[in-house]
Amino acid sequence: DAGVIQSPRHEVTEMGQEVTLRCKPISGHNSLFWYRQTMMRGLELLIYFNNNVPIDDSGMPEDRFSAKMPNASFSTLKIQPSEPRDSAVYFCASSKKTTMNTEAFFGQGTRLTVV
Amino acid sequence: QKEVEQNSGPLSVPEGAIASLNCTYSDRGSQSFFWYRQYSGKSPELIMSIYSNGDKEDGRFTAQLNKASQYVSLLIRDSQPSDSATYLCAVPGYSSASKIIFGSGTRLSIRP
Repeated sequence: DAGVIQSPRHEVTEMGQEVTLRCKPISGHNSLFWYRQTMMRGLELLIYFNNNVPIDDSGMPEDRFSAKMPNASFSTLKIQPSEPRDSAVYFCASSKKTTMNTEAFFGQGTRLTVV
Repeated sequence: QKEVEQNSGPLSVPEGAIASLNCTYSDRGSQSFFWYRQYSGKSPELIMSIYSNGDKEDGRFTAQLNKASQYVSLLIRDSQPSDSATYLCAVPGYSSASKIIFGSGTRLSIRP
């Protein structure tokens, strides 16, 4: 398996522009997580899905952020409009949830810079 | 109180010594616990998982869990320069939500 695939790897955009980050989870995994990592705040959970359904989006910073998972093999995280404070590394991770919670596997991340 | 707490470090350990990393968590119902290693500029990589009280050994790594004290630790024996990284403790919640919360990570530096 190729693992969790994220695109793009790097994104530089101007303030006010829309940014869309993409994620393909590991085949067979039924949970998908979006995290944001900064030096100041560490690894923050933004939202996660179980069986394509959003379960908890309490970590989404504000209405400018939205996430979708239209099917089991694809998810997007959108920021509209983007702001400089959104600059961070965004990770997507997936896991196969069973009766015992299993570990999450991470993609390579998208480094977002908003100027 | 944070859900998962770690000492941010940096923790400096001489090569060949034992590095000890600690983590506390708030959800008493948590059943599984993970340690991830993250090199600078890379994504977190799972290195250990533990589900039962006691010790679990894998090569130079030992995870220790004490559910009564809500405490999980990672020991790295015979530390190598390649062990220099940030180590993240991760704890899924017990509820049906099953979100995985990470600690802020401990930066470990192995000095020659």
